[in-house]
Amino acid sequence: NAGVTQTPKFRILKIGQSMTLQCAQDMNHNYMYWYRQDPGMGLKLIYYSVGAGITDKGEVPNGYNVSRSTTEDFPLRLELAAPSQTSVYFCASSTQYEQYFGPGTRLTVT
Amino acid sequence: AQSVAQPEDQVNVAEGNPLTVKCTYSVSGNPYLFWYVQYPNRGLQFLLKYITGDNLVKGSYGFEAEFNKSQTSFHLKKPSALVSDSALYFCAVRVGNQFYFGTGTSLTVIP
Repeated sequence: NAGVTQTPKFRILKIGQSMTLQCAQDMNHNYMYWYRQDPGMGLKLIYYSVGAGITDKGEVPNGYNVSRSTTEDFPLRLELAAPSQTSVYFCASSTQYEQYFGPGTRLTVT
Repeated sequence: AQSVAQPEDQVNVAEGNPLTVKCTYSVSGNPYLFWYVQYPNRGLQFLLKYITGDNLVKGSYGFEAEFNKSQTSFHLKKPSALVSDSALYFCAVRVGNQFYFGTGTSLTVIP
């Protein structure tokens, strides 16, 4: 049972480039989330989804997009990367209560 | 607005001593409260939750937490700390479909 998987683990982007962070879960959870973690700031919610075809903005959605075509997958798209998007990104899926997190993607934009 | 506060950035405790990591919250309605632990270069791991019922909830690795509605607190506790408990701890509250996290408390257990 893989749980929540994320790829890539690390990535360096140049300013203005685009990329997609992949997230998949095999627990058949309806809820999925994308967070960014910055030092001393805790986790901030970027986008979330309550089921396939349904997505909604969190606290810090600007500069990001998501899609949810299947229950399993919830990719996060960065368009026109900026240095402010340097962070560690975590995907999570959830039962009605607790969340299960992936290992994270460390992204640097230079 | 929903919020979670962890007033201590850093907590140091000697091995074998009891530990407490503090959390207070501000939400409308009844809160669903959680504690997570994060080890270096890893994702967050679920420790325990309070949904309803007994104010003292027990979780993984010998941790427990006490829900106090009047003080809007949900402090994490352990009777006897281990060096392996050293990690970053996050308190979180679920409101609707969203989770709100505190800024984290770094726990160091000194041998």
